[in-house]
Amino acid sequence: AQKITQTQPGMFVQEKEAVTLDCTYDTSDPSYGLFWYKQPSSGEMIFLIYQGSYDQQNATEGRYSLNFQKARKSANLVISASQLGDSAMYFCAIAGGGNKLTFGTGTQLKVEL
Amino acid sequence: DSGVTQTPKHLITATGQRVTLRCSPRSGDLSVYWYQQSLDQGLQFLIQYYNGEERAKGNILERFSAQQFPDLHSELNLSSLELGDSALYFCASSPRAGVQPQHFGDGTRLSIL
Repeated sequence: AQKITQTQPGMFVQEKEAVTLDCTYDTSDPSYGLFWYKQPSSGEMIFLIYQGSYDQQNATEGRYSLNFQKARKSANLVISASQLGDSAMYFCAIAGGGNKLTFGTGTQLKVEL
Repeated sequence: DSGVTQTPKHLITATGQRVTLRCSPRSGDLSVYWYQQSLDQGLQFLIQYYNGEERAKGNILERFSAQQFPDLHSELNLSSLELGDSALYFCASSPRAGVQPQHFGDGTRLSIL
């Protein structure tokens, strides 16, 4: 069984500042992947970033980086230089060998001027 | 644009009815996944197909069924609909069946009256 915990229901950040969204996980799979998705108010699910459990380096994709701490079972998302368009719900997810995603409850991010 | 196409975008129907949701995966993707997003249950994995074969099953009700056709498009059939089936239904796809990013369609919003 796999579980994702996102403890921040809502977050505020000023435009151009960096923000960290927390995610902890639990899994019995020896090999797994961690994912972050963005869901704007329009409803679509947008893939942001992926980290494999055996990857030595933290994943980065443009302004997104994943702070992966395996011993702590955490996979926090860092968004640098926040923009108004970053306002959305953010979901952390985990997949084991079968690649079925287990999602957390999400963090609602609001970027303010 | 993720490259995953879902139709219809919206569906309104009554209790007891049957509906079919359609999904075309990204070009070259062999694996298709279905997820349900509801207010009370969050995002839940329903079922996965890989190259026409059922690969994994999640919390999918017996009233629900799915299939993947030779051209790789997939359909999710929901029957004997209940009020609680109202949700956003997502299809996602990935190139293979192992752990890797899934790209989501825009979803079908199902409303049961």
